[in-house]
Amino acid sequence: DAGVIQSPRHEVTEMGQEVTLRCKPISGHDYLFWYRQTMMRGLELLIYFNNNVPIDDSGMPEDRFSAKMPNASFSTLKIQPSEPRDSAVYFCASSLGTGGRIAFFGQGTRLTVV
Amino acid sequence: GNSVTQMEGPVTLSEEAFLTINCTYTATGYPSLFWYVQYPGEGLQLLLKATKADDKGSNKGFEATYRKETTSFHLEKGSVQVSDSAVYFCALSGYTGGFKTIFGAGTRLFVKA
Repeated sequence: DAGVIQSPRHEVTEMGQEVTLRCKPISGHDYLFWYRQTMMRGLELLIYFNNNVPIDDSGMPEDRFSAKMPNASFSTLKIQPSEPRDSAVYFCASSLGTGGRIAFFGQGTRLTVV
Repeated sequence: GNSVTQMEGPVTLSEEAFLTINCTYTATGYPSLFWYVQYPGEGLQLLLKATKADDKGSNKGFEATYRKETTSFHLEKGSVQVSDSAVYFCALSGYTGGFKTIFGAGTRLFVKA
């Protein structure tokens, strides 16, 4: 398996634009997590899914953020409209709930909003 | 809710020194505990784990013991190398309607030759 795949690796966008981050989890994993990493706040859990269903979105900072998982092999995190304070590295991770719950991370998407 | 607290960095050591990074947690039930490592420009990767009280996780010379009585999972290594320079994250996975994995703030380690 290729591991968790995120795209794009880098994104630079202007304030007010819509940004969509993509994630392909490891095949067979039933949990998918979206995290945001910044120097100030560390690694924050934004939302996670179990079997494509959102379980906890309490970490989503505000209504500008939304996440979907239309099937077991794909998820998106959308920011609309984007703001400079959204600049961060966004990680997707997947795990197997009954398999030791080890989270496997993607390489991350570095988002810069100017 | 569940939470993880780990010592602030950065930690700077000379090669072959002893390393300890403290981690304590708050959780309901019986979480699994983990240490992850992050190298520059990469995502986090599992270093070691423990799934129940008194379990010791170990990998690449690193060790941590799940201490339920002190709610701790401190990371140790007897002799660090320059290649161990990275950011280390303590984490737990507990059931709160689903298996949610949360992380501490991370501790940056610098090892000097």
